[in-house]
Amino acid sequence: AQSVTQPDIHITVSEGASLELRCNYSYGATPYLFWYVQSPGQGLQLLLKYFSGDTLVQGIKGFEAEFKRSQSSFNLRKPSVHWSDAAEYFCAVGAASGTYKYIFGTGTRLKVLA
Amino acid sequence: KAGVTQTPRYLIKTRGQQVTLSCSPISGHRSVSWYQQTPGQGLQFLFEYFSETQRNKGNFPGRFSGRQFSNSRSEMNVSTLELGDSALYLCASSLTGFNQPQHFGDGTRLSIL
Repeated sequence: AQSVTQPDIHITVSEGASLELRCNYSYGATPYLFWYVQSPGQGLQLLLKYFSGDTLVQGIKGFEAEFKRSQSSFNLRKPSVHWSDAAEYFCAVGAASGTYKYIFGTGTRLKVLA
Repeated sequence: KAGVTQTPRYLIKTRGQQVTLSCSPISGHRSVSWYQQTPGQGLQFLFEYFSETQRNKGNFPGRFSGRQFSNSRSEMNVSTLELGDSALYLCASSLTGFNQPQHFGDGTRLSIL
């Protein structure tokens, strides 16, 4: 069955500290992987995407993610967190096949301490 | 380029009523998807339309329906509203489908009294 797991519901980090948000997936087709961010009262904004090629992808706002096929993971990282990064982060998986859906993880809410 | 526009932003309805939500995708985007977001269930896929045809469907009852027009604009309808339908309904568009990033609107917040 298709699934996306974000094991951490809440994460709290201090401003300036590094960040890693975990994402594991189970998907029958070749996955297209995405990370989105959602600020309160708003829709989701795409941070980065992985389709193929280099397994380390760079996104907006200083975020990066690494695709590890052997671990079925696509973890999001940022070397130094800013207070404005406080939001909810969603990992998502899609596929080109019409029989597959776009699946989101349950989200990780990030709190940043000043 | 204008983003995805959802109207209205807020709606208050009572049980048993029906509601129609509207979504205007980014110009040129032919795939429109709808999602329900609640604190308990997270983001759940409702359905996807492409070229006026429903191409994918999530696990929601038949009270939830949608359609897409020739200009790619989409509407979602919920009939016989229940308290549990209270949620943020998000629309997303992409050029052709699920192998691409989804561009989201800010959603319609539906509250059922």
